Amino acid sequence: DADVTQTPRNRITKTGKRIMLECSQTKGHDRMYWYRQDPGLGLRLIYYSFDVKDINKGEISDGYSVSRQAQAKFSLSLESAIPNQTALYFCATSDLSREQYFGPGTRLTVL
Amino acid sequence: GIQVEQSPPDLILQEGANSTLRCNFSDSVNNLQWFHQNPWGQLINLFYIPSGTKQNGRLSATTVATERYSLLYISSSQTTDSGVYFCAVERSSGANNLFFGTGTRLTVIP
Repeated sequence: DADVTQTPRNRITKTGKRIMLECSQTKGHDRMYWYRQDPGLGLRLIYYSFDVKDINKGEISDGYSVSRQAQAKFSLSLESAIPNQTALYFCATSDLSREQYFGPGTRLTVL
Repeated sequence: GIQVEQSPPDLILQEGANSTLRCNFSDSVNNLQWFHQNPWGQLINLFYIPSGTKQNGRLSATTVATERYSLLYISSSQTTDSGVYFCAVERSSGANNLFFGTGTRLTVIP
């Protein structure tokens, strides 16, 4: 089984809808991250969490919110999706070694 | 943030050829990772290499932190090596998040 899983893997939605992307990990890591990737670009950080009581904004947090339900679960919400949020979304985890491990990604399309 | 520049942006190789990919960064780092993004979009960890040299099969990487660059070497390339290679760094003075370069797109032709 994969160490970092994301659901759904693909999602098509309409402008204005609320969307939640979920991430689960079995690596036992305290640190979790959400990134987005736009075509032809590298990943950019949306939010990160160092433990269940710690949530921090990343480079591009506007229009997004997160919830750290447990050490193993970190979800990303789009309260009112807009077309320029169409992207590939990645969850990642790390421990104190700082090396990050990525999930398989969620491809989100907002029409 | 920190600037991460990768070169070349695109590379086409004949199967069996060797290549070197470069990553330059603009500040001190305490984490540097190389990833391979396959055609299905998955990010595969290649190396965690904030300094020094590591090898894994046909791949090796060297980071010279004092000169702010890292190199990824691919020897005897195979068609399965095709995809985008990303360098990502974490700034020494910043929070624990990675800044990604824009990648090198490698195409290996048979």
